[in-house]
Amino acid sequence: EIVMTQSPATLSVSPGERATLSCRASQSVSSNLAWYQQKPGQAPRLLIYGASTRATGIPARFSGSGSGTEFTLTISSLQSEDFAVYYCQQYNNWPPTWTFGQGTKVEIK
Amino acid sequence: QLQLQESGSGLVKPSQTLSLTCAVSGGSISSGGYSWSWIRQPPGKGLEWIGYIYHSGSTYYNPSLKSRVTISVDRSKNQFSLKLSSVTAADTAVYYCARDNPRYYAAFDIWGQGTMVTVSS
Repeated sequence: EIVMTQSPATLSVSPGERATLSCRASQSVSSNLAWYQQKPGQAPRLLIYGASTRATGIPARFSGSGSGTEFTLTISSLQSEDFAVYYCQQYNNWPPTWTFGQGTKVEIK
Repeated sequence: QLQLQESGSGLVKPSQTLSLTCAVSGGSISSGGYSWSWIRQPPGKGLEWIGYIYHSGSTYYNPSLKSRVTISVDRSKNQFSLKLSSVTAADTAVYYCARDNPRYYAAFDIWGQGTMVTVSS
């Protein structure tokens, strides 16, 4: 089973600052890595897929990088609406399984 | 615009079977080569993938839940369903249905709004 580990658990950032979130896989997942944003009471929203491609309608301030086992989500200039919990998720081709990280909460400093 | 909507029992007694349905609107569950998953989130915790069904009917489940999970599809109603047997309080969670998109490296691009299921006597 592939385990996804996110760090830090909580990130305190001031509006307008840069936020860098990390995600590590216990074994290589190639580029089968996605990032989601979740706000209270809402379903997760896809931000990034294929480790670095923004989903439709996602602002350019969100960017993803990495491959293999180390991945990063960067929010270049935090807006008020960006304070939320972020999850990384890997997809394994066979057996077909999806695994999420435990999440990083981005809170207002 | 494809939309997903979960429905089902919000309160289930311990040892009984949880049953949920995800209705697909704005598109056919059988087209596009997509697969359809159930994902859950206990209160205040992270996300756990439960299992998926392909439009053909083939399924695969999270090994940790495999012995208790059944996912099925009803193409005539354009919906798919989850059954989780022998539930305990640990199964209390918000349950989401979601579509994975093979063009997006199988990321979940469309989600239902989620439905809360509480296991309690």
